[in-house]
Amino acid sequence: RKEVEQDPGPFNVPEGATVAFNCTYSNSASQSFFWYRQDCRKEPKLLMSVYSSGNEDGRFTAQLNRASQYISLLIRDSKLSDSATYLCVVDAGNMLTFGGGTRLMVKP
Amino acid sequence: GAVVSQHPSWVICKSGTSVKIECRSLDFQATTMFWYRQFPKQSLMLMATSNEGSKATYEQGVEKDKFLINHASLTLSTLTVTSAHPEDSSFYICSARADRVGNTIYFGEGSWLTVV
Repeated sequence: RKEVEQDPGPFNVPEGATVAFNCTYSNSASQSFFWYRQDCRKEPKLLMSVYSSGNEDGRFTAQLNRASQYISLLIRDSKLSDSATYLCVVDAGNMLTFGGGTRLMVKP
Repeated sequence: GAVVSQHPSWVICKSGTSVKIECRSLDFQATTMFWYRQFPKQSLMLMATSNEGSKATYEQGVEKDKFLINHASLTLSTLTVTSAHPEDSSFYICSARADRVGNTIYFGEGSWLTVV
């Protein structure tokens, strides 16, 4: 079993749709959690950190469920510009583990 | 602006030669930096963890004699691809975090290596 697992997708959604991604992790000692966005042929860029209480940034909402060891990302009112690969990143102290990424394609 | 700078962005080299890629943290000190490789349409694969002042920790399957990592200062780590082969052609990315757990991890802009 991979340490951090994501559905690779692609998720094909129309503009304006709401889409959600999940990410499961196996290391219960994990301390910090992040969602990164990676555009084609570019480096990953931080989208948002994920806190136990859940956090929201505009159209994006991230949730953490420590008991079930998963994090989620919800995107509301999808835009064409949201098309990218979304990487779940789990930080267990000095060990950083990436999920394989979930590809999102937003269509007009 | 970038807080982790990677250089060069693009490099083409001949088979058998060596290529050095630099990763610098610009606004912070980073005891630990990470090196990744990403082939087209694949996910990031951790190659090694670079530790300032000590030997790097390599992931299984990554040849430490082929991918030399040097982390000589708190703001600079280098990856040298030795005796490059065409199959080493890939996107190499570094990342770094300020020396405090929970801080954001920043990525360099990546380096595209093409071996001909």
